[in-house]
Amino acid sequence: AQSVSQHNHHVILSEAASLELGCNYSYGGTVNLFWYVQYPGQHLQLLLKYFSGDPLVKGIKGFEAEFIKSKFSFNLRKPSVQWSDTAEYFCAVNARKSSASKIIFGSGTRLSIRP
Amino acid sequence: DVKVTQSSRYLVKRTGEKVFLECVQDMDHENMFWYRQDPGLGLRLIYFSYDVKMKEKGDIPEGYSVSREKKERFSLILESASTNQTSMYLCASSLERRDQPQHFGDGTRLSIL
Repeated sequence: AQSVSQHNHHVILSEAASLELGCNYSYGGTVNLFWYVQYPGQHLQLLLKYFSGDPLVKGIKGFEAEFIKSKFSFNLRKPSVQWSDTAEYFCAVNARKSSASKIIFGSGTRLSIRP
Repeated sequence: DVKVTQSSRYLVKRTGEKVFLECVQDMDHENMFWYRQDPGLGLRLIYFSYDVKMKEKGDIPEGYSVSREKKERFSLILESASTNQTSMYLCASSLERRDQPQHFGDGTRLSIL
C-alpha cells in the first residue's frame, strides 16, 4: 500500500539557516508528488508539485524539492529560512494507478524559526 | 482563485448528537474530500467523492457518512458523535485530473463533549 514518511516531526532553526525536510514514499509505480504548507491559523496551500520532467522543482517563497526516484524521496529545501516560514509542512503522494486523485499525506513536520 | 468554504470554524457538540459539517466549492471541481487532521497523524482521508451522488470510503470512514447532492456541496455527517471524533476537519476539492492539486478550506475544529 502507498505510504508517505516524514522523518522529522519538529524542526527548530534560526533565521538564515538552511532547511531540508525529508519525505520518503513507498510505491513502485509512477507518482505525482506535492508539498503543502499550513501557516498558523490558515488553510493548507500548495508549495510545489512534481509530475514529470526536471526532478528539481521550484515552488513559491524560495522553496524547492528534488525528486530522487532511486531513493523514493522528495525532500524539501530552502537555502535561507525566515521567521515567516514557521508553519507545518506536509508531503503528499498521488500514485497514478490508484483511484482518481486520492492523495496520501505524510504526518507533517512542524518548523519553528527562531528570530 | 479557488474558494473552498466550510460552514463553521469552531463547533461544539455533545456525545450522541448527529453532526453535519458542510463544505462548498466555487470552481466546478469534480472531486471533493473530507479529512481529519490530528497532531502527529497528518491528514487522514475519511471519504471522497468524484461526482454528484458518488462517494468512496477513505482510510477511516467508520462513524462517518457523506452526502453529495450537488456538485458544489459535500457534507460530512457524524451519525452519533463520540469524544474520539474531536478533531480538526478539512474539506478539499480538485479537478479530476490526477496531476491537479487539492484546494483546502480553513477547517472546522470540532469538539465533542
